[in-house]
Amino acid sequence: SYELTQPPSVSVSPGQTARITCSGDALPKQYASWFQQKPGQAPLLVMYKDSERPSGIPERFSGSSSGTTVTLTVSGVQAADEADYYCQSSDNSGTYVIFGGGTKLTVL
Amino acid sequence: HLQLQVSGPGLVRPSETLSLTCSVSGVSISSVGYKWGWIRQSPGKGLEWIGTLYYSGITSYNPSLKSRVSISADTSDTQFFLNLRSVTAADTGVYYCARHFYGDGVENWFDPWGQGTLVAVSS
Repeated sequence: SYELTQPPSVSVSPGQTARITCSGDALPKQYASWFQQKPGQAPLLVMYKDSERPSGIPERFSGSSSGTTVTLTVSGVQAADEADYYCQSSDNSGTYVIFGGGTKLTVL
Repeated sequence: HLQLQVSGPGLVRPSETLSLTCSVSGVSISSVGYKWGWIRQSPGKGLEWIGTLYYSGITSYNPSLKSRVSISADTSDTQFFLNLRSVTAADTGVYYCARHFYGDGVENWFDPWGQGTLVAVSS
């Protein structure tokens, strides 16, 4: 079955740049989106179509894509950015939805 | 302003059916182009797509759950439903509903999400 692979954890100090990757064979064909989830809260969309930022999401969040990997970049990381981040996309046919396993961003 | 809210029992017995309701405000469920999804999260684990209801009534399900799940909407056009049959402890988790943006077969995302509800499967 198709999978999206994320690193389990990423740690950065405040003010630094965090990069969270998501890899999958269908990503050259299928766009990806990203969600931020804080404890006890529903996921929040922070990026869609690889690099489109929803209104209300800070400019320090950006997205990019290269081949089979998409990357969520958080520049000037703040304590409030500490959360779990999930990528999401579809299989090659676009029929079935898949989430990555999630990455815990820790702000040191 | 589109809002979604999940409701339903917090405890379901093994082998029974888990039934949840997602109440939608701000738009009609049958509005052209709209799609609605269910997603769940096991305790301490990641997100899992359950299925999607298209405005036309067509459904798409996660292959791993397809034999046990059904998603439907009511005639009031303000609610859609999740039914998951023959549940086991592995079905315990937080269940979310969300609007599912789907375009051109190469892009899709969920926004906004309902607040989620914890369902425990236990005798």
